[in-house]
Amino acid sequence: EADIYQTPRYLVIGTGKKITLECSQTMGHDKMYWYQQDPGMELHLIHYSYGVNSTEKGDLSSESTVSRIRTEHFPLTLESARPSHTSQYLCASGSGLYGYTFGSGTRLTVV
Amino acid sequence: GESVGLHLPTLSVQEGDNSIINCAYSNSASDYFIWYKQESGKGPQFIIDIRSNMDKRQGQRVTVLLNKTVKHLSLQIAATQPGDSAVYFCAENEYETSYDKVIFGPGTSLSVIP
Repeated sequence: EADIYQTPRYLVIGTGKKITLECSQTMGHDKMYWYQQDPGMELHLIHYSYGVNSTEKGDLSSESTVSRIRTEHFPLTLESARPSHTSQYLCASGSGLYGYTFGSGTRLTVV
Repeated sequence: GESVGLHLPTLSVQEGDNSIINCAYSNSASDYFIWYKQESGKGPQFIIDIRSNMDKRQGQRVTVLLNKTVKHLSLQIAATQPGDSAVYFCAENEYETSYDKVIFGPGTSLSVIP
């Protein structure tokens, strides 16, 4: 079973609210990633981190921000949620060389 | 929300038949390839991988074939079962020269007919 945890699993929130999606892993991986995925669609990399205090934007432009203060923790924050942010957000960790381990995802709905 | 990208291609297979899922990758310098399986409501799970110095690798009921000449990857599932119904993603990685970022393909939705 994957040792990477995402909370909450589901979130319905009003427009304009600030939200933080949590992601934690217990595998000691330096590299962590956030992907955005609409139902039945492709995975798009929005943020990644190669270690503490290292964060980079991914291929898909996103209004979210991330932080990496501890190795095991990689939260994603939306300062002001909008309906266009409705999607599934998947967190992953590991090296590309051995495959990523994914969390179960957070399905976000902004109303 | 606004959808980005293309809808996934679909493949329907009779239970017990073999499935073949194809993937074209983009970067000729990619040296590592992975197949992931994503069941409904879950994150993608690693199935099998292959390095660029190989052209075939077998696992339990799954085989991955790599054709670097035409930049093509395939996943073969033997004796497909209802539990194989999922979305399958191929992924490529240019580990040696890039900053170790995996690029996912568009995915294929496999439906197994009982």
